[in-house]
Amino acid sequence: AQSVTQLGSHVSVSEGALVLLRCNYSSSVPPYLFWYVQYPNQGLQLLLKYTSAATLVKGINGFEAEFKKSETSFHLTKPSAHMSDAAEYFCAVSDPNTGGFKTIFGAGTRLFVKA
Amino acid sequence: EPEVTQTPSHQVTQMGQEVILRCVPISNHLYFYWYRQILGQKVEFLVSFYNNEISEKSEIFDDQFSVERPDGSNFTLKIRSTKLEDSAMYFCASRVLGGWNTEAFFGQGTRLTVV
Repeated sequence: AQSVTQLGSHVSVSEGALVLLRCNYSSSVPPYLFWYVQYPNQGLQLLLKYTSAATLVKGINGFEAEFKKSETSFHLTKPSAHMSDAAEYFCAVSDPNTGGFKTIFGAGTRLFVKA
Repeated sequence: EPEVTQTPSHQVTQMGQEVILRCVPISNHLYFYWYRQILGQKVEFLVSFYNNEISEKSEIFDDQFSVERPDGSNFTLKIRSTKLEDSAMYFCASRVLGGWNTEAFFGQGTRLTVV
């Protein structure tokens, strides 16, 4: 069964510092992985997706993620945090095993950015 | 840019009442979903819908829930007799035909408060 695990429910960084949000996946087949962001009181916005074309995936707002099969990881990074990056981030995997192809979400990591 | 639209943004209802949450998916999308997010918790899959029928549903999606695509553009979630524990943010999502390597696009959500 497909699943994702996000390490750390809260991450706090200073403005300008590196952002690293961790995600590990479990999949019986080559996975399709996503990162979504949720700003306060808003919906889910796709940051980036991995669909096997390239292991380093660039997304919006300067974020990128690297797929590492040997580590079953898909960590999200940004070189320099901005105050506007404060949000909840969800790692997700697409489930190929049912006709509905649902998206399965991790528990989320809340990013705090300190001035 | 096409987007998934949900109405209302916030609904307050009394326990035991029926509610209908409405969604307009992106026009060329063929898979439709409902998810919910109880405050402070993860995003949970409720149901997927394709070709005018339910493809998959979770254990949360019991007999109190139903979905419908009444007119080819709207996609609704009905809760027949709301309970306090149904209070949550409900997200509609849609996905283009193409399988599990495509991302789901999410609406802004409807916050349901049951009192």
